[in-house]
Amino acid sequence: TQLLEQSPQFLSIQEGENLTVYCNSSSVFSSLQWYRQEPGEGPVLLVTVVTGGEVKKLKRLTFQFGDARKDSSLHITAAQPGDTGLYLCAGDPPGTSGSRLTFGEGTQLTVNP
Amino acid sequence: EAQVTQNPRYLITVTGKKLTVTCSQNMNHEYMSWYRQDPGLGLRQIYYSMNVEVTDKGDVPEGYKVSRKEKRNFPLILESPSPNQTSLYFCASSFSRKDSNQPQHFGDGTRLSIL
Repeated sequence: TQLLEQSPQFLSIQEGENLTVYCNSSSVFSSLQWYRQEPGEGPVLLVTVVTGGEVKKLKRLTFQFGDARKDSSLHITAAQPGDTGLYLCAGDPPGTSGSRLTFGEGTQLTVNP
Repeated sequence: EAQVTQNPRYLITVTGKKLTVTCSQNMNHEYMSWYRQDPGLGLRQIYYSMNVEVTDKGDVPEGYKVSRKEKRNFPLILESPSPNQTSLYFCASSFSRKDSNQPQHFGDGTRLSIL
């Protein structure tokens, strides 16, 4: 059982559409991170959300941390082909004092021109 | 350029033949970690190291060994590889994991095929 559940697992959309990716858990996390991974490369950090209810924006990407710090979402406005990639959420499992990082399974996004 | 370097990038080998995947970082990071990435399972942590000479098991340590004799290097050793260790492996580092907000910097991955 994954500690962090991401949905959807796969998403294929047309350029210009909006989308939301979800990262859910039954556990409380002190913070959650979102990474993007492109083929042949390692994941690259996009953002860290720390405070419950926090919203962070990175150009057309909007990240939100749930009030209870058990879930997070990533919303992309007017998606571009360059947004194509594997989006991963990650967080420190409860009780690990920052020594560990657990990842969701990822959402594979394809934006078609 | 700040980076995490893994070698080799690709390796095809046979069951039982010992192999080592090297990982080196030039950012003076304290924390280093190894993950394997498999379809449908995401990234799973194999071993991590909080600092030199300090290593600990992650979620899937069976069949793997690591060492941290120097701050910059964190090799992953497969003493007797088996086909179920065929996977994409990533090394990562961060300044410190005591602050869980520290980003992890990943290498570009090593694709291992064990026949």
